[in-house]
Amino acid sequence: AQTVTQSQPEMSVQEAETVTLSCTYDTSESNYYLFWYKQPPSRQMILVIRQEAYKQQNATENRFSVNFQKAAKSFSLKISDSQLGDTAMYFCAFLDGTASKLTFGTGTRLQVTL
Amino acid sequence: GAGVSQSPRYKVAKRGQDVALRCDPISGHVSLFWYQQALGQGPEFLTYFQNEAQLDKSGLPSDRFFAERPEGSVSTLKIQRTQQEDSAVYLCASSLAGGPGDTQYFGPGTRLTVL
Repeated sequence: AQTVTQSQPEMSVQEAETVTLSCTYDTSESNYYLFWYKQPPSRQMILVIRQEAYKQQNATENRFSVNFQKAAKSFSLKISDSQLGDTAMYFCAFLDGTASKLTFGTGTRLQVTL
Repeated sequence: GAGVSQSPRYKVAKRGQDVALRCDPISGHVSLFWYQQALGQGPEFLTYFQNEAQLDKSGLPSDRFFAERPEGSVSTLKIQRTQQEDSAVYLCASSLAGGPGDTQYFGPGTRLTVL
């Protein structure tokens, strides 16, 4: 079974600064996908970014980018130029290439301050 | 709206009551998923449909939990004889095809409180 670990329960960053959220995972599969989801206080889970394991290039989406280290089974999320609207719970999730269910970490609560 | 919708948003039940939670996936999405999110935790998988077929129900915690999607669109998650430990947010997600790596899009969830 796959496991996803987010070791930072809470983080804080000032507006316009950069923050990195950590995620590690454990799997014996070679084909898989990784995701970061954002869950604001309103509770709707929103996709932030996804990464295919077979791609060496790190995914980027505007201010969001990942550092995918396949050998180390690490998948961190970097948020640049943090904005107040980035305040939310962030979940790292794993998807086995042969299955359909997501396995989530326990989340990191990010607070962006003025 | 174009997103996944769920109803009700909030449900309070007395222990022992039956509840039914509804999910409307994004139009045209073949696959539908249910997850349970306990307070302060990440979502945990319950069950998965492709069209009307329930392909995986390995995450359902007991036989009190039952899900259906009879016409391959709307889905209902039913919990019989609710217990306090069933209190959680129930999230529904859908994906276009449910194939390898398909992105899942989530609804706002139903917060169930069992008294």
